[in-house]
Amino acid sequence: EVQLVESGGGLVQPGRSMKLSCAASGFTFSNYYMAWVRQAPTKGLEWVGIISTGGGNTYDRDSVKGRFTISRDNAKSTLYLQMDSLRSEDTATYYCARVNSGYGMDAWGQGASVTVSS
Amino acid sequence: EIVLTQSPTTIAASPGEKVTITCRASSSIGYMYWYQQKSGASPKLWIYDTSKLASGVPNRFSGSGSGTSYSLTINTMETEDAATYYCQQWSSTPWTFGGGTTLEL
Repeated sequence: EVQLVESGGGLVQPGRSMKLSCAASGFTFSNYYMAWVRQAPTKGLEWVGIISTGGGNTYDRDSVKGRFTISRDNAKSTLYLQMDSLRSEDTATYYCARVNSGYGMDAWGQGASVTVSS
Repeated sequence: EIVLTQSPTTIAASPGEKVTITCRASSSIGYMYWYQQKSGASPKLWIYDTSKLASGVPNRFSGSGSGTSYSLTINTMETEDAATYYCQQWSSTPWTFGGGTTLEL
């Protein structure tokens, strides 16, 4: 069974950092691009970024460029999202998702809640 | 950035009714993807490549469209279909989602 389990969320002050993890199981992690998608409270979905299979290429939305870093450890089947200089507008549930070429994001984690507030 | 505009924002339907949700893109795209999200749950891939149903999706659902206009249709509404549906495009970065359509009973 394909599983994605996020961890690392919580309450953080503006300007501080937080790192989310997404542990994958049930599939060959290194074969898939992976993505982060977020959802602010009562709002819609917003793509954050994507990382290639080997981790050498990442693409981030403009509003997080230079502040968020997506990385992965294929040996540990784990995806990461390092978030620096956090802002109140980054408050959201962050989902990791498997990108299945030709199919879209076909597996999602349960989400990690991040609240940026003083 | 390609903006995806969904309509209606909210729709109420009774069991057995036919339901259509529309997603319009600000520029032409190749394919549309749809996700279903129930309250308090993670999104699920629902339709890919405009018209192909994801695994486990009932065949009362269908997708269609091309260019800038796409739609998701439920042939006969069932209670379990109440959810929010999002369209999404992969044609150009940043990959964007529509604002969502909430389907209520």
